[in-house]
Amino acid sequence: NAGVTQTPKFRVLKTGQSMTLLCAQDMNHEYMYWYRQDPGMGLRLIHYSVGEGTTAKGEVPDGYNVSRLKKQNFLLGLESAAPSQTSVYFCASRDRRNEKLFFGSGTQLSVL
Amino acid sequence: AQKVTQAQTEISVVEKEDVTLDCVYETRDTTYYLFWYKQPPSGELVFLIRRNSFDEQNEISGRYSWNFQKSTSSFNFTITASQVVDSAVYFCALSEGSGGSYIPTFGRGTSLIVHP
Repeated sequence: NAGVTQTPKFRVLKTGQSMTLLCAQDMNHEYMYWYRQDPGMGLRLIHYSVGEGTTAKGEVPDGYNVSRLKKQNFLLGLESAAPSQTSVYFCASRDRRNEKLFFGSGTQLSVL
Repeated sequence: AQKVTQAQTEISVVEKEDVTLDCVYETRDTTYYLFWYKQPPSGELVFLIRRNSFDEQNEISGRYSWNFQKSTSSFNFTITASQVVDSAVYFCALSEGSGGSYIPTFGRGTSLIVHP
């Protein structure tokens, strides 16, 4: 049972480049989340999804887009990366009836 | 204003000392959930405990204990007889039940360093 899998684990981008982070969960969870973690800031919610085909903005959505075309996958896109998006990104999921989050192992992204 | 405040940015203790990590939250909902997660140096996030707003009973799990007080909007975490392996960043989180979509909000974390 893999749980929540994030790919890639590391990535270096140049300013202006685009990329997509993939989050996949095999627990049939309805809810999925993308957070970013920055020193001294904790985890801040970027976007989330309460089900296949639905997404919503979190606390810090600017510069990011998401899609949830399949229930098990939640994609986070950066259309034009900026140095301010250098961060560690965590994906999480949970079941509708249980508020406990299951986290991926994180993606360390550097934008030069 | 932060919904979850962890006022202690960093705590340094010597092994076997007891340590309490503070968490103060803010919500207008009557139904909500509180959590603690641990992030060891390896970086993964590990679930420790969940408490719902209707259950103020304190909980003990081995060397870990949690004190939930609605009157002061606090959910504090105590480690008894700390060990080096307890060194990690600890996050307190709040899930509010607006419309049934519980959106988890995290505090900024407390870095605990346990020296041998």
